[in-house]
Amino acid sequence: QKEVEQNSGPLSVPEGAIASLNCTYSDRGSQSFFWYRQYSGKSPELIMFIYSNGDKEDGRFTAQLNKASQYVSLLIRDSQPSDSATYLCAVTSPSGSARQLTFGSGTQLTVLP
Amino acid sequence: EAQVTQNPRYLITVTGKKLTVTCSQNMNHEYMSWYRQDPGLGLRQIYYSMNVEVTDKGDVPEGYKVSRKEKRNFPLILESPSPNQTSLYFCASSPGILGSPLHFGNGTRLTVT
Repeated sequence: QKEVEQNSGPLSVPEGAIASLNCTYSDRGSQSFFWYRQYSGKSPELIMFIYSNGDKEDGRFTAQLNKASQYVSLLIRDSQPSDSATYLCAVTSPSGSARQLTFGSGTQLTVLP
Repeated sequence: EAQVTQNPRYLITVTGKKLTVTCSQNMNHEYMSWYRQDPGLGLRQIYYSMNVEVTDKGDVPEGYKVSRKEKRNFPLILESPSPNQTSLYFCASSPGILGSPLHFGNGTRLTVT
């Protein structure tokens, strides 16, 4: 079982819609959760981070964390074509140093004009 | 400008010819890490370093070496590259505080023939 799982997609949504990206993780000891956006051929860039259960909003982005169910999600409201990218979920590693991150394989999002 | 700098951006080499990919950060970060990214597999950690002279293996360390003689530099060394090391490589750094996000370099696309 992968430690961090994401639907690979591709996920397509029309412009203006809400895009919902999901991530599950295997270890209840994970404490920090990150969402990165990666355009093709570019390096990942941080979108959101969340440490506590519940919702965290930043502009059009909302991260949701449910530690009991071991999932974290990212909602993108009013999706724009420029949001088309691969979204990577990252979780603090369950073993060893808590400063290690384990990444999911990413969900490819396409926002259709 | 705060950044992580990797060189070279592109590298084509032949099997068995030793190479080094350099990584430097100007943010006085304690934590540095190398990842490789392959289609469908996401980002996989090769090695990481908590501080000067402190390094440890990640998930896929075989065939790679690293060193951390100075805080700002964390080179990745392939003593005898093989075609299965053809990949996109990213260096990243962070302050090292629990849960702090990673800052990524622009990546190095390596092809081993």
